[in-house]
Amino acid sequence: DQQVKQNSPSLSVQEGRISILNCDYTNSMFDYFLWYKKYPAEGPTFLISISSIKDKNEDGRFTVFLNKSAKHLSLHIVPSQPGDSAVYFCAAKLDNYGQNFVFGPGTRLSVLP
Amino acid sequence: NAGVTQTPKFQVLKTGQSMTLQCAQDMNHNSMYWYRQDPGMGLRLIYYSASEGTTDKGEVPNGYNVSRLNKREFSLRLESAAPSQTSVYFCASSERLRHNEQFFGPGTRLTVL
Repeated sequence: DQQVKQNSPSLSVQEGRISILNCDYTNSMFDYFLWYKKYPAEGPTFLISISSIKDKNEDGRFTVFLNKSAKHLSLHIVPSQPGDSAVYFCAAKLDNYGQNFVFGPGTRLSVLP
Repeated sequence: NAGVTQTPKFQVLKTGQSMTLQCAQDMNHNSMYWYRQDPGMGLRLIYYSASEGTTDKGEVPNGYNVSRLNKREFSLRLESAAPSQTSVYFCASSERLRHNEQFFGPGTRLTVL
């Protein structure tokens, strides 16, 4: 049973509009969440993270929101650019099991010019 | 700075053959990891090394062995390849075991016939 779910395998957005990528998790003990971005033929690269003590973290065009009661987080990209087209992975971590991230299956974002 | 490098990029094996996937990092990181990524699934941890001289099993270690040759290099060995090991393999490193950001290599696409 997947502990981290990304229920949308793909998403298409027009350039300049907002992209919203969603992630749900089942383990309430997760205390740190990350988003990774992956281009074809490359490894994932770290994008943004959020601790469970916060509900929002912003970095430029990227904002991650965390709703602990709903066990849900989302990544907002505003404005979306064609270079944002990639696969986005949500990952979660347990603080006392720190070597292991649990990754979601990924969402493929296509930003259309 | 090359970051994390992996060789080979592609490999085709027959069932029962053996091979070693190589990984090296030049960031002076203490911890290194091997993941596999299968279609529709997130990255799953095979083995990790918290520091030079130590290795531990991750979520899916069966059929694999690892060697932390020195601080820079962490290899993954398949002794007797099986079709179920067809996957994309990613090596990653981080400053320390509980550090939140991992840096990934470009991956090795392995097909076992």
